[in-house]
Amino acid sequence: KNEVEQSPQNLTAQEGEFITINCSYSVGISALHWLQQHPGGGIVSLFMLSSGKKKHGRLIATINIQEKHSSLHITASHPRDSAVYICAPSARGQSGGGADGLTFGKGTHLIIQP
Amino acid sequence: DTAVSQTPKYLVTQMGNDKSIKCEQNLGHDTMYWYKQDSKKFLKIMFSYNNKELIINETVPNRFSPKSPDKAHLNLHINSLELGDSAVYFCASSQAGGGTGELFFGEGSRLTVL
Repeated sequence: KNEVEQSPQNLTAQEGEFITINCSYSVGISALHWLQQHPGGGIVSLFMLSSGKKKHGRLIATINIQEKHSSLHITASHPRDSAVYICAPSARGQSGGGADGLTFGKGTHLIIQP
Repeated sequence: DTAVSQTPKYLVTQMGNDKSIKCEQNLGHDTMYWYKQDSKKFLKIMFSYNNKELIINETVPNRFSPKSPDKAHLNLHINSLELGDSAVYFCASSQAGGGTGELFFGEGSRLTVL
């Protein structure tokens, strides 16, 4: 079973700060997803990555397959970045989770204050 | 156009009733999913379905059944509703299955069982 740990669980920061959210998992994976859920409830896929680094605007996601660790960074954070960020690794051969191989972290609740 | 749409967005019903939630995607994806998000905001896969295969998460009661009239639709039927079924249900789709394709989520359907 894939154990997924996200840290921190809660994070409050000031506008403009550099934000890092971490995700560790326990089994070999084929891909890792970062999702964003705003207070209104909708879920948006931010990244799917299987190696290295991806960048989209002010968001950067990195993954280290050997260390079984991924990070999500937000540069120049803004109040509109306030949301829950969820890490979801997909285990190889669906050995780690459910019907889609995904195991979801418990999420990081981020609040960016003006 | 909404890529993945669910109806209804809100559903309030009595214990013991049978209800359905509909999901449609216009992305041409091969795989669709149903996820349950409980009161603690934890996401869990319920079903994964493509043209060839339905994969059911073993923890899902058989009161829940997915119905797919075609590739673009995956509806969720729930029989004999229980209080513990109250949750937000998310439909999603991806081009590739097994958690290796980018996920596109619907807006969620909030089910309240009284």
